[in-house]
Amino acid sequence: NAGVTQTPKFRILKIGQSMTLQCTQDMNHNYMYWYRQDPGMGLKLIYYSVGAGITDKGEVPNGYNVSRSTTEDFPLRLELAAPSQTSVYFCATSTGGNTQYFGPGTRLTVL
Amino acid sequence: DQQVKQNSPSLSVQEGRISILNCDYTNSMFDYFLWYKKYPAEGPTFLISISSIKDKNEDGRFTVFLNKSAKHLSLHIVPSQPGDSAVYFCAALSLNAGNMLTFGGGTRLMVKP
Repeated sequence: NAGVTQTPKFRILKIGQSMTLQCTQDMNHNYMYWYRQDPGMGLKLIYYSVGAGITDKGEVPNGYNVSRSTTEDFPLRLELAAPSQTSVYFCATSTGGNTQYFGPGTRLTVL
Repeated sequence: DQQVKQNSPSLSVQEGRISILNCDYTNSMFDYFLWYKKYPAEGPTFLISISSIKDKNEDGRFTVFLNKSAKHLSLHIVPSQPGDSAVYFCAALSLNAGNMLTFGGGTRLMVKP
């Protein structure tokens, strides 16, 4: 089992460009999450999903969009990249219990 | 308004000694508290958790203590090993609203051989 996979590992964007960060899991978990981690800071929740077709905002959703058409995939979309979105992005999954399982992260730089 | 705080950004400990990492929170409604460990260029990995109705949970070298009246928890690692060197995040979980985790800022632990 691969667990939680994220692509790409690294990306540099120009201001105003758009991109999709991919997250795929093979653990059949209903709950999925997107976090961002700024340098020297903790993780902050961007969006989450409790199942296919259901998404909701977290603490810092502005500038992002998500969709959840399948149990396995939870892509995060940046429409108009800004320097403030330079961060490391982590996807996580959960059965709904008290433990979340994280992917390896995507390091995004917006110049 | 930070609901979960780790006031020590770093901690250095000698191998074999005890490491104590601290965490404070403000919201009495959290249901669980968790500790995650993070190595560079990797995602956080779950270490240990404690229910809000307990005051201690132990797993091998790792013990978490919860003091609800002080809204404080701590992670004890005994004995510390060089492989324990990592960033440790304290997190709090609310079981409603999607089981969201609220993270502290992290403490970098360095265990010297």
